[in-house]
Amino acid sequence: AQSVTQLDSQVPVFEEAPVELRCNYSSSVSVYLFWYVQYPNQGLQLLLKYLSGSTLVESINGFEAEFNKSQTSFHLRKPSVHISDTAEYFCAVSDRWGSQGNLIFGKGTKLSVKP
Amino acid sequence: GAVVSQHPSRVICKSGTSVKIECRSLDFQATTMFWYRQFPKQSLMLMATSNEGSKATYEQGVEKDKFLINHASLTLSTLTVTSAHPEDSSFYICSPRDSTQETQYFGPGTRLLVL
Repeated sequence: AQSVTQLDSQVPVFEEAPVELRCNYSSSVSVYLFWYVQYPNQGLQLLLKYLSGSTLVESINGFEAEFNKSQTSFHLRKPSVHISDTAEYFCAVSDRWGSQGNLIFGKGTKLSVKP
Repeated sequence: GAVVSQHPSRVICKSGTSVKIECRSLDFQATTMFWYRQFPKQSLMLMATSNEGSKATYEQGVEKDKFLINHASLTLSTLTVTSAHPEDSSFYICSPRDSTQETQYFGPGTRLLVL
């Protein structure tokens, strides 16, 4: 069975500081990995995903995540955060893509960016 | 990005009553709909998967007679919590899949409180 562990429930950081949100997964088959972001009073939005190919994936707003198979991790990083990055971030894994594969989510990490 | 609406956003009801939650994909067609439930400080848990025009497939431990799912059209799905009890209080999130883009979107969620 697949599972996702997000080690930190809350991460407070100051504006312009770097941040890393940790995600570890367990799976016995091929994995597809995702990071979703949820802003207050909004639905989850896909931030970035790893399906295949390069293990480093990037989003349009400066986040990046690296798939590390040996460490079964998919940590999310940003070198310099903004106030607007304050949100809850969910890591998710699926064993299928493009069909009926469903997402297994972590418990989420609340990122609070302070001025 | 795609727009997904859920109605109501928040509902309080008495124990024993039924509550219907609507989920609409406003600018794409969803052949597949996922319904999730999220308890406080827990991850999103998949409840059921439905394909338009077909009966929903429920995850283990989810009572199909209690959580009625209707996916009669490509833009509308409903979840009805029948004879709700306080333990059904949770955050319910719909997630339609845009089959043309193989992308899964999320509604903003409905917070249900059963007194």
